[in-house]
Amino acid sequence: DGGITQSPKYLFRKEGQNVTLSCEQNLNHDAMYWYRQDPGQGLRLIYYSQIVNDFQKGDIAEGYSVSREKKESFPLTVTSAQKNPTAFYLCASSPRDRVNQPQHFGDGTRLSIL
Amino acid sequence: KNQVEQSPQSLIILEGKNCTLQCNYTVSPFSNLRWYKQDTGRGPVSLTIMTFSENTKSNGRYTATLDADTKQSSLHITASQLSDSASYICVVSPLTNFGNEKLTFGTGTRLTIIP
Repeated sequence: DGGITQSPKYLFRKEGQNVTLSCEQNLNHDAMYWYRQDPGQGLRLIYYSQIVNDFQKGDIAEGYSVSREKKESFPLTVTSAQKNPTAFYLCASSPRDRVNQPQHFGDGTRLSIL
Repeated sequence: KNQVEQSPQSLIILEGKNCTLQCNYTVSPFSNLRWYKQDTGRGPVSLTIMTFSENTKSNGRYTATLDADTKQSSLHITASQLSDSASYICVVSPLTNFGNEKLTFGTGTRLTIIP
């Protein structure tokens, strides 16, 4: 079955540590996205990529970094510069430049601070 | 600032009953409006997507309506089941969107179905 796989399901970060969240899709989608979900707030866009080797900052990119070396993969690194990283992180994908195509989401990674 | 407001924030209904969730938005002009279902600890799953020219869209027991003049949408759930317990998120895409990079997400309505 085609879909998006996020790993790990739960992740803990120590002070001063960088952590990387994995996102893999086999839907053959060009575009991939990272969102952050906090209680009582709508999803907020961190980074997105429309094509391999290219990505753009979203609304809350500070303290995060991404790479897009393969079409199937879009890992997110939460750096030590992100002072409030505790949240539910969601990865999504969609065909590129299709305004009426909904996104497909993974099942998220919950990041907590030790 | 583009906003999407959903009401109620939470709702509890008996199994088998119908319910309606509301979404008001300020995004204008807009391209399409989407409803997602998100189970606890899972990612959102698309229920419906309506363009600005559509008034209604159904997906099984879920029916979404759209009034572009008043900038309101509703999601009606018929004959609710325990599996309908989830958060329902309204999402609006502006006309300036080339894909999905400028979506505005509502905060969701938490629906609980009790037996």
